[in-house]
Amino acid sequence: AQSVTQPDIHITVSEGASLELRCNYSYGATPYLFWYVQSPGQGLQLLLKYFSGDTLVQGIKGFEAEFKRSQSSFNLRKPSVHWSDAAEYFCAVAGVRGAAGNKLTFGGGTRVLVKP
Amino acid sequence: KAGVTQTPRYLIKTRGQQVTLSCSPISGHRSVSWYQQTPGQGLQFLFEYFSETQRNKGNFPGRFSGRQFSNSRSEMNVSTLELGDSALYLCASSLQWNTEAFFGQGTRLTVV
Repeated sequence: AQSVTQPDIHITVSEGASLELRCNYSYGATPYLFWYVQSPGQGLQLLLKYFSGDTLVQGIKGFEAEFKRSQSSFNLRKPSVHWSDAAEYFCAVAGVRGAAGNKLTFGGGTRVLVKP
Repeated sequence: KAGVTQTPRYLIKTRGQQVTLSCSPISGHRSVSWYQQTPGQGLQFLFEYFSETQRNKGNFPGRFSGRQFSNSRSEMNVSTLELGDSALYLCASSLQWNTEAFFGQGTRLTVV
């Protein structure tokens, strides 16, 4: 069964500093990969996705993620964090083409706190 | 373009009652999925509907059911509510099979 691991439950970063959130997945083939962000009491907003092609993908709000097949990882990065980036971030995987539809398996999430 | 709309936003129900949640997907999207989010279990997949047919189902008891209408709007129903059903229920819509999912704001269900 597919699974997603986000090793860091909490991360505290100073405003203006860089941020990297880790995500590792377990799946029989290369899945579709996503990062979502959730503010308190809100739904999930899609930051970026990887389906195929270039392994470095750009997303909204200045985020990027790099897919590394050899490490089964899809880490999220941002060069300079803003106070508004404080939120919970979820990595998710979906099945390969034609198989599992749009069912997402989520990691446990990483809560990001931003210090002024 | 309007996003995914979930109604109501908040609900308080008594144990043993049933509840129906509604989701209107993005216009033109044919797939609707439902997720339950709790502090203890995180985000868990409930089921997915595509063109009015249930295509995927998560590991939840039969008290949880859903349906999709011809206009792609979806409802999920939970019967015989238990305290543990208290959660944020999220609906996501996708344009087609194997495309990215866009989430609504969720319905916060509290069972007392």
